[in-house]
Amino acid sequence: DVKVTQSSRYLVKRTGEKVFLECVQDMDHENMFWYRQDPGLGLRLIYFSYDVKMKEKGDIPEGYSVSREKKERFSLILESASTNQTSMYLCASRPPGTPYGYTFGSGTRLTVV
Amino acid sequence: EDKVVQSPLSLVVHEGDTVTLNCSYEVTNFRSLLWYKQEKKAPTFLFMLTSSGIEKKSGRLSSILDKKELSSILNITATQTGDSAIYLCALPMDSNYQLIWGAGTKLIIKP
Repeated sequence: DVKVTQSSRYLVKRTGEKVFLECVQDMDHENMFWYRQDPGLGLRLIYFSYDVKMKEKGDIPEGYSVSREKKERFSLILESASTNQTSMYLCASRPPGTPYGYTFGSGTRLTVV
Repeated sequence: EDKVVQSPLSLVVHEGDTVTLNCSYEVTNFRSLLWYKQEKKAPTFLFMLTSSGIEKKSGRLSSILDKKELSSILNITATQTGDSAIYLCALPMDSNYQLIWGAGTKLIIKP
């Protein structure tokens, strides 16, 4: 069964901490995405990557960075966590050339205190 | 500016009821419209609609697109508690298929 795995389901961090959210997919997909999901706002794209070492900003990249050193792994980094980054973070991957092939991870609920 | 608006934002019904969820959109270039179901954490794909007036069906779920009205509806008949979820609508914005998402409809089915 194909999978996108996010390393943590729940995470509590302190303001100012550097936070790493890890995402691994086993489908050999080129495209990987990080979204945050907040009530009433839907899914908003933070960053995406089309290939190893490539990254593109999404709609809300401020306060975040990403790393894609290997095809299967896409990491989201909060350089200095703030309370307004408390949210559900969803990772997804997709093969090229299709709009409907997204596979999502189970999400990480991050709370910044 | 491209946008996707879903209504209602939340809905509570009893088992056995039929529900209709709405998705309205404004996008520069329409390519397709996608419906996802999010039960606990990970959204899962339900339907992709590209042509107006053609119904897509899967068991008790069905969806149809109205390009003239720039909208789609998702119908669920004979609802069950397992249908409780957030239903998300999304559209690709560009040729790279980046999606723009609606806020979702939170559906709660009471036994």
